[in-house]
Amino acid sequence: ETGVTQSPTHLIKTRGQQVTLRCSSQSGHNTVSWYQQALGQGPQFIFQYYREEENGRGNFPPRFSGLQFPNYSSELNVNALELDDSALYLCASRPGTGGSANYGYTFGSGTRLTVV
Amino acid sequence: AQSVTQLDSQVPVFEEAPVELRCNYSSSVSVYLFWYVQYPNQGLQLLLKYLSGSTLVKGINGFEAEFNKSQTSFHLRKPSVHISDTAEYFCAVTSAGGTSYGKLTFGQGTILTVHP
Repeated sequence: ETGVTQSPTHLIKTRGQQVTLRCSSQSGHNTVSWYQQALGQGPQFIFQYYREEENGRGNFPPRFSGLQFPNYSSELNVNALELDDSALYLCASRPGTGGSANYGYTFGSGTRLTVV
Repeated sequence: AQSVTQLDSQVPVFEEAPVELRCNYSSSVSVYLFWYVQYPNQGLQLLLKYLSGSTLVKGINGFEAEFNKSQTSFHLRKPSVHISDTAEYFCAVTSAGGTSYGKLTFGQGTILTVHP
């Protein structure tokens, strides 16, 4: 059973640029969430996708957008990068059905984004 | 809205000593509770979760946690720590239903440092 895979592991971008981060969900998981973890902070929820539809969003501006594909892999896109967007971006997947017994998030190792 | 407060930002302890990492939460609805561990430059690994049933939950690596609804707490404990337990620990909560279902709210983290 493969876990959650994120790419790239590290990325350096210039302020104002756009970035796309990628996530492959764990096999059998149809729900994916993205989190932003600034240095020294706990992860903050960005949004969640279930069967290719966004079904939950945190307090992030519209320049943070996402996609989920039919194979349940996912992308996080950030436009007009700002210095404060520098953070570790974590992807997490879980089964969307099956009752609470299946309620467990599996996290990837993250993408470290540095905006200069 | 939900919130999580981890009462200690740093906990130093000697090897083989017991440890308790404290977590309080706030929520107007029923919740699921989680503890995650994060090693340097890595993603989050699930230690244990409380969904329902017994309030004492056992997890991996000898950790356990007790859900106390009246105190709105979910403290993490280990009777004897090892050097390898040095990491950052995050408490997280999500609603057991409703519009916040699936969104994890994390605490700020507790850095556990185990000294020889």
